[in-house]
Amino acid sequence: NAGVTQTPKFRVLKTGQSMTLLCAQDMNHEYMYWYRQDPGMGLRLIHYSVGEGTTAKGEVPDGYNVSRLKKQNFLLGLESAAPSQTSVYFCASKGSSGRSQLEQYFGPGTRLTVT
Amino acid sequence: GENVEQHPSTLSVQEGDSAVIKCTYSDSASNYFPWYKQELGKRPQLIIDIRSNVGEKKDQRIAVTLNKTAKHFSLHITETQPEDSAVYFCAAQNTGGFKTIFGAGTRLFVKA
Repeated sequence: NAGVTQTPKFRVLKTGQSMTLLCAQDMNHEYMYWYRQDPGMGLRLIHYSVGEGTTAKGEVPDGYNVSRLKKQNFLLGLESAAPSQTSVYFCASKGSSGRSQLEQYFGPGTRLTVT
Repeated sequence: GENVEQHPSTLSVQEGDSAVIKCTYSDSASNYFPWYKQELGKRPQLIIDIRSNVGEKKDQRIAVTLNKTAKHFSLHITETQPEDSAVYFCAAQNTGGFKTIFGAGTRLFVKA
């Protein structure tokens, strides 16, 4: 099992450009999350999904959109990138029953720089 | 709203000493408390966890304690080694729910 994967690993954008970050998990998890982590700071929740076709706002949703068309994928979109969105983005997933409902499994992260 | 406070934000210890990180949570419904370790440039990974029906759990050099009445829980690392240097996050969640509330993290430096 690959676990949680993220594409791309690195990206540099110019202000105003758009992009989509892809998260995929092969553990059949119901819940998926997008976090951002700024230097020296903790994890801040951007958006999350409790199942296919559903999404909800987290702590810092402004400037981002998400979609969960398939259970295994959770996409994070930036419509018009700003320098304040320079960060490391982590995707995570969690199950809804048994042991899998406890631990969040994180992807390797995407380092995004907006110039 | 629900939150988890974590202290200290930075901790520096000499190799071989012990390190203690403390967290306080606000949501009485929380019944599961995981700790994640994030090495530089890597993803956070679960290192130990404790459920609310247990007061203490140990795994080799790391242990967690929970005081549900006071809503406090702590991570203890004994005989610290340079490879313990990382950022540690505490978290609180309800096992029946989807939301995990993370602390702000503690950057641990272990000096050789």
